[in-house]
Amino acid sequence: EVQLVESGGGLVQPGRSLRLSCTASGFTFGDYAMSWVRQAPGKGLEWIGFTRSKAYGGTTEYAASLKGRFTISRDDSKSIAYLQMNSLKTEDTAVYYCPRVASEFCRGGVCYPRGGNDYWGPGTLVTVSS
Amino acid sequence: QSVLTQPPSVSGAPGQRVTISCTGSSSNIGAGFDVHWYQQLPGTAPKLLIYGNSNRPSGVPDRFSGSKSGTSGSLAIAGLQAEDEADYYCQSYDIILSGYVFGSGTRVTVL
Repeated sequence: EVQLVESGGGLVQPGRSLRLSCTASGFTFGDYAMSWVRQAPGKGLEWIGFTRSKAYGGTTEYAASLKGRFTISRDDSKSIAYLQMNSLKTEDTAVYYCPRVASEFCRGGVCYPRGGNDYWGPGTLVTVSS
Repeated sequence: QSVLTQPPSVSGAPGQRVTISCTGSSSNIGAGFDVHWYQQLPGTAPKLLIYGNSNRPSGVPDRFSGSKSGTSGSLAIAGLQAEDEADYYCQSYDIILSGYVFGSGTRVTVL
């Protein structure tokens, strides 16, 4: 059974950093791209970014508004994805999810996610407040 | 402002059919990227409902169906049930933004 568990959330002051972890089980983690998505209280889903699997380049993509402050990484040997968040702002308060990307494909030398996000964890709440 | 546009809300009586539109552009849906749909029940994580425009994951009732045409996608719920009350989000890939984009979400209310 595929399971994803996000951890590392909590209360943090503005300007500080936080690293979230996403521990996966039930599938070969290294074969899949992994996303990070967040949802502010009462708001919609916001895509943060994703890390491609090694077979598809192992590179990362980010939402333009978050690039530079947020960094996604992965440790395939531990089946863990990470989200490093720096210079946190009050507007970063949200539930953070790390859904799996169903599959990937390449076209014209660029590799893309395909099939949507097929498994989601329960999320971890990050509250940025003084 | 979301890259993909959805109506904020739709409603219907039990047993009725409702549809939710998802309007994109030539850099996402119109560029040939698939539309995916998610259902989010109150207090829970989103769940993949439709992938690749019209495919249902195992366990999703066939009352849910999806389609795509041009720069838009659509989700239909037939035979509306009380348990379908939830928020629904569409998603696609945007080639200019180099990443996934979500719609703003649609709240479905069963009258």
